[in-house]
Amino acid sequence: GAVVSQHPSRVICKSGTSVKIECRSLDFQATTMFWYRQFPKKSLMLMATSNEGSKATYEQGVEKDKFLINHASLTLSTLTVTSAHPEDSSFYICSPVGGRSLDTQYFGPGTRLTVL
Amino acid sequence: GEDVEQSLFLSVREGDSSVINCTYTDSSSTYLYWYKQEPGAGLQLLTYIFSNMDMKQDQRLTVLLNKKDKHLSLRIADTQTGDSAIYFCAGRTGTASKLTFGTGTRLQVTL
Repeated sequence: GAVVSQHPSRVICKSGTSVKIECRSLDFQATTMFWYRQFPKKSLMLMATSNEGSKATYEQGVEKDKFLINHASLTLSTLTVTSAHPEDSSFYICSPVGGRSLDTQYFGPGTRLTVL
Repeated sequence: GEDVEQSLFLSVREGDSSVINCTYTDSSSTYLYWYKQEPGAGLQLLTYIFSNMDMKQDQRLTVLLNKKDKHLSLRIADTQTGDSAIYFCAGRTGTASKLTFGTGTRLQVTL
């Protein structure tokens, strides 16, 4: 199956700092990337959708200036949490779409962010 | 938007069958999926079913779809301890549309 990596897998940072999460599709080209966040014992909530080379579309209630998404290439997308606060602590999961059938949605292993 | 509901918790004994249920509101959901999430990990696609199907079987997994009642279920035969995880159902209306996830069911398998 397709391989998706996220880095880092865990990060702890101080309040006010920025954290960048990388998502790579290792063996296929991702034309679309979804970013989700998951609170403990909760479902996945879609944050934004991005297509390679264009600006991301954010879901209602998600601050685009706080969660910066860059989808610069077909194999790499980044999510930067700017000026992180404790309420941003969450599990962030990327989900690239692509591969052989061009519409299969894959999921990264997730990044656990803890903001102190 | 679509709402997808699941029961929160299910406990079964090893070797028994597990049935995880899901209800959805959007009748135009065309693709319905079941994902498994182990602790601290991402999502693993288990199986999926198209809306024009009633049933799909894949080894120990059986998916049943009742379109009239907008009810989807996942049956795991001969449940093993390695099946302990959170199971999410998800639906979308087309290949390019967003996935909407259910609330997740935590399956606990006891000896």
